[in-house]
Amino acid sequence: EVQLVESGGGLVQPGGSLRLSCAVSGFTFSTYWMNWVRQAPGKGLELVASIKQDGSAKIYVDSVKGRFTISRDNAKNSLYLQLNNLRAEDTAVYYCARGHLSDWGQGSLVTVSS
Amino acid sequence: DVVMTQSPLSLPVTLGQPASISCRSSQSLVHSDGYTYLNWFQQRPGQSPRRLIYKVSNRDSGVPDRFSGSGSGTDFTLKISRVEAEDVGVYYCMQSIYWPYTFGQGTKLEIK
Repeated sequence: EVQLVESGGGLVQPGGSLRLSCAVSGFTFSTYWMNWVRQAPGKGLELVASIKQDGSAKIYVDSVKGRFTISRDNAKNSLYLQLNNLRAEDTAVYYCARGHLSDWGQGSLVTVSS
Repeated sequence: DVVMTQSPLSLPVTLGQPASISCRSSQSLVHSDGYTYLNWFQQRPGQSPRRLIYKVSNRDSGVPDRFSGSGSGTDFTLKISRVEAEDVGVYYCMQSIYWPYTFGQGTKLEIK
């Protein structure tokens, strides 16, 4: 069974940092592009970052470029998202998702507020 | 970025009746490999999104056959042949040919 489990969310002040993790099981992690998708409260879905199978290519949506960093550890079957210089508009549930978003985790809530 | 436009944004449906959601993309979603990368997702209240349909018309494992997808180029449709109570939620189309993958605004299906 494919499983993706996010962790690391929480309350952080504007300008602060947070690191999200996604532990996966049930599939060969190293053979898939992986993604982070976010959903602001009551809003739609936005893909914010993607990473190639071997980590050699990383892509970011414009609104997070220079502030967020996606990474992965294939030996640990884990995906990460480092969030720096956080803003109120980054408040959202962050989901990790496999490939063409065929499978999703349960999400991790990030709240940016003073 | 490719803009995905859904209609309607709200869809009240009587149990047992059919439902249809339209999705239009600002660019063709036909890849050079011949496939068309249009997906449909369901998000039930309080749950993570779940992919229902990929490459226009292919149902994901476990998706009931009352769900079907169709379309080509820039115009696509998700149909539910007979709506059940468990179908309540928000439905999103998403293109996965151009990065960043982009979603429609979502269509909220409710029971009338």
